[in-house]
Amino acid sequence: DAKTTQPDSMESTEGETVHLPCSHATISGNEYIYWYRQVPLQGPEYVTHGLQQNTTNSMAFLAIASDRKSSTLILTHVSLRDAAVYHCILTNYGNEKITFGAGTKLTIKP
Amino acid sequence: NTKITQSPRYLILGRANKSLECEQHLGHNAMYWYKQSAEKPPELMFLYNLKQLIRNETVPSRFIPECPDSSKLLLHISAVDPEDSAVYFCASSPSPGGGNTGQLYFGEGSKLTVL
Repeated sequence: DAKTTQPDSMESTEGETVHLPCSHATISGNEYIYWYRQVPLQGPEYVTHGLQQNTTNSMAFLAIASDRKSSTLILTHVSLRDAAVYHCILTNYGNEKITFGAGTKLTIKP
Repeated sequence: NTKITQSPRYLILGRANKSLECEQHLGHNAMYWYKQSAEKPPELMFLYNLKQLIRNETVPSRFIPECPDSSKLLLHISAVDPEDSAVYFCASSPSPGGGNTGQLYFGEGSKLTVL
């Protein structure tokens, strides 16, 4: 799997919009960008994924750069429940091993 | 998440033998064991597909997985070591690597503390 780079931590305030960056300069053409998040004492939870086009769902908006070398997970109107470690992962279909990095620890202030 | 259940949730052991259990109610073919040590990301230990072990990462031999049917996964641990203290997560997906959605579903984990 190609490597991803994320900031160790970020902080925001309830109600704000958060942009979580991920750099993946060596991404392969067939690799998808996946985001998972993990809160303490729970297993990782799928957030979203994309290949080339921006995607959106009820949890987040994923903005993918046109050269695919970076992406940004955008969380709007964050609440305390959004505090978690967010993992950006590259994988292609058929790749058996999903590898988690350190991720970005997002802290939300009241 | 009640779709993947793990038991026990908490386990405190001396140097004993014990088994962790996982059951998924999603109809998935692939099941995983991940280990997460304190302040580290989850690391893949084992991957089963259709009851066959297809991925075995470098794991001490005291960890023995078992997949009695496609919805159940066990992890037998013998003579645990303090370095085994961690949270063990079970996960499942339609096919290995997540299938055409790439999505893994995780259980809530079993926290093992070795005295």
